[in-house]
Amino acid sequence: RKEVEQDPGPFNVPEGATVAFNCTYSNSASQSFFWYRQDCRKEPKLLMSVYSSGNEDGRFTAQLNRASQYISLLIRDSKLSDSATYLCVASTGGGNKLTFGTGTQLKVEL
Amino acid sequence: GAGVSQSPSNKVTEKGKDVELRCDPISGHTALYWYRQSLGQGLEFLIYFQGNSAPDKSGLPSDRFSAERTGGSVSTLTIQRTQQEDSAVYLCASSLEIAGGTNGELFFGEGSRLTVL
Repeated sequence: RKEVEQDPGPFNVPEGATVAFNCTYSNSASQSFFWYRQDCRKEPKLLMSVYSSGNEDGRFTAQLNRASQYISLLIRDSKLSDSATYLCVASTGGGNKLTFGTGTQLKVEL
Repeated sequence: GAGVSQSPSNKVTEKGKDVELRCDPISGHTALYWYRQSLGQGLEFLIYFQGNSAPDKSGLPSDRFSAERTGGSVSTLTIQRTQQEDSAVYLCASSLEIAGGTNGELFFGEGSRLTVL
């Protein structure tokens, strides 16, 4: 079983739609969680951290459920520019190692 | 701006040859990571440096892979006797703090694309 698992997609949604991604992690000792975004043939970049209380950044909302060991990302009012691969990330090894999921591909269409 | 710099950006080599990949992290970043990404796959952790020491090298696939970091700055990833399955994009990232802390933001370079024929 992979340490961090995601549905690879692709998720094809119309512009303006709301889309949600889920991610599960296997290591209960994982301490910190993040969502990264990777555009085609580009390097990953941090989208947002995920806090236990949930957090929002504009159209993006991240949630963490430690009991069920899953993380979610909600994108509201999706834009064409949101098209990318979204990588779920968990820290392990005492917080020094970031383990990436394989990513969920999002395609926002007109 | 002075981001993470990797070289070469592309490397084509023959099976059995050794290759060396270089990473220049952002100045002042103490943590440095190597990942690799195969086509359509996620990022596979290889090794992590804190300063010049490597507390976690658990991801190195075999003893053909090694990495070092000198002066708390530049790092090189060396692959000896390359195999076709080594073909991938090798990504380096640096971080101001130990990842997983209050920041946890890794800044990635553009990667070195390795093709082993």
